[in-house]
Amino acid sequence: RKEVEQDPGPFNVPEGATVAFNCTYSNSASQSFFWYRQDCRKEPKLLMSVYSSGNEDGRFTAQLNRASQYISLLIRDSKLSDSATYLCVVNALTNDYKLSFGAGTTVTVRA
Amino acid sequence: SAVISQKPSRDICQRGTSLTIQCQVDSQVTMMFWYRQQPGQSLTLIATANQGSEATYESGFVIDKFPISRPNLTFSTLTVSNMSPEDSSIYLCSVEDSLNYGYTFGSGTRLTVV
Repeated sequence: RKEVEQDPGPFNVPEGATVAFNCTYSNSASQSFFWYRQDCRKEPKLLMSVYSSGNEDGRFTAQLNRASQYISLLIRDSKLSDSATYLCVVNALTNDYKLSFGAGTTVTVRA
Repeated sequence: SAVISQKPSRDICQRGTSLTIQCQVDSQVTMMFWYRQQPGQSLTLIATANQGSEATYESGFVIDKFPISRPNLTFSTLTVSNMSPEDSSIYLCSVEDSLNYGYTFGSGTRLTVV
């Protein structure tokens, strides 16, 4: 079983729509969670960290469910510029810098 | 956040040759990480590079194939040795970004081995 699993998509949504997707992780000891955005042929860039209480950054909302071992990302009022691959990233231990990456969820926002 | 300059951005190499990739960070960092991202795949950690000690390699990666240097706290190199077409991939360096509580990546090196 992979450490981090994501629905690869693609999610094709119209501008203005809401899109949400999840990521599951296998290690219950995981401590840190992140969503990264990767555009085609570019490096991953941190979108947001995910906190236990959930957090929001503009149109983006991230949630963590430790009991079910998943995190989610919701994008409201989608823009064309939101088209990208979203990587779920998990760090197992606070004193271990190794990250586990999901394979990514592709989102395409159409006009 | 930290700014990383990674070179080269891309290269096409003959099999059997070696390529050295460089990453320069604009601030001092304890650890630098080297990843590989094969087409359509996610990132896989190759090794962790600490200044003043040998790099720590992940399962499936060995020093003879991927030698790493870390001469100071702002610089590291990864060499892909004796390349084969299977080494064609994107290679990325990364550092922890203490300000944003995340990790920053270099722009990547797109390697094609022919």
